[in-house]
Amino acid sequence: KQEVTQIPAALSVPEGENLVLNCSFTDSAIYNLQWFRQDPGKGLTSLLLIQSSQREQTSGRLNASLDKSSGRSTLYIAASQPGDSATYLCAVRPIAAGNKLTFGGGTRVLVKP
Amino acid sequence: DTGVSQNPRHKITKRGQNVTFRCDPISEHNRLYWYRQTLGQGPEFLTYFQNEAQLEKSRLLSDRFSAERPKGSFSTLEIQRTEQGDSAMYLCASSATSGSGDEQFFGPGTRLTVL
Repeated sequence: KQEVTQIPAALSVPEGENLVLNCSFTDSAIYNLQWFRQDPGKGLTSLLLIQSSQREQTSGRLNASLDKSSGRSTLYIAASQPGDSATYLCAVRPIAAGNKLTFGGGTRVLVKP
Repeated sequence: DTGVSQNPRHKITKRGQNVTFRCDPISEHNRLYWYRQTLGQGPEFLTYFQNEAQLEKSRLLSDRFSAERPKGSFSTLEIQRTEQGDSAMYLCASSATSGSGDEQFFGPGTRLTVL
């Protein structure tokens, strides 16, 4: 059974510092991995999708890497801003599990001005 | 707005009552998913439709839960005889089978509180 872990569960950084968020998964047989942002009491906003054949994806200040063989993905957010404060979730789409996503528990980020 | 929409956004009900939620996916998306999220946890998969066919159901979906997507467009999720343990955020997502690599786009969710 696929398990997804995000450590740490919470992170606090001063404004301007780069953020590094980690995601690990137990089964490397995945179609893709998605990173999401969730604001309190809101739905999920898709940030980046990395296909299993890709090593990284970039969008603006965001860069996500994928090392499928070691079961790891990292989300980098450059020059953090207070508006980046949110919970960040990663999710994998396991090959053995059809089309559903398996989520980690999220990392709650606070960027202090 | 062309994103995924969900109604209502909030629902408060008494234990034992039935509730129904609606999800309208992105119009060209043929796949629709329901997830449930409790406080401090990541979402958990409940069920999935491709067009009008319900192709997969989680064991989390007890017989008190039923989902439909009658014309392959909007979907409803009904919970009968609600229990306090049903209190959660219910999230709907949609995706297309080609082009975007099956990227799932989520709606704002329906927050259910069972008293």
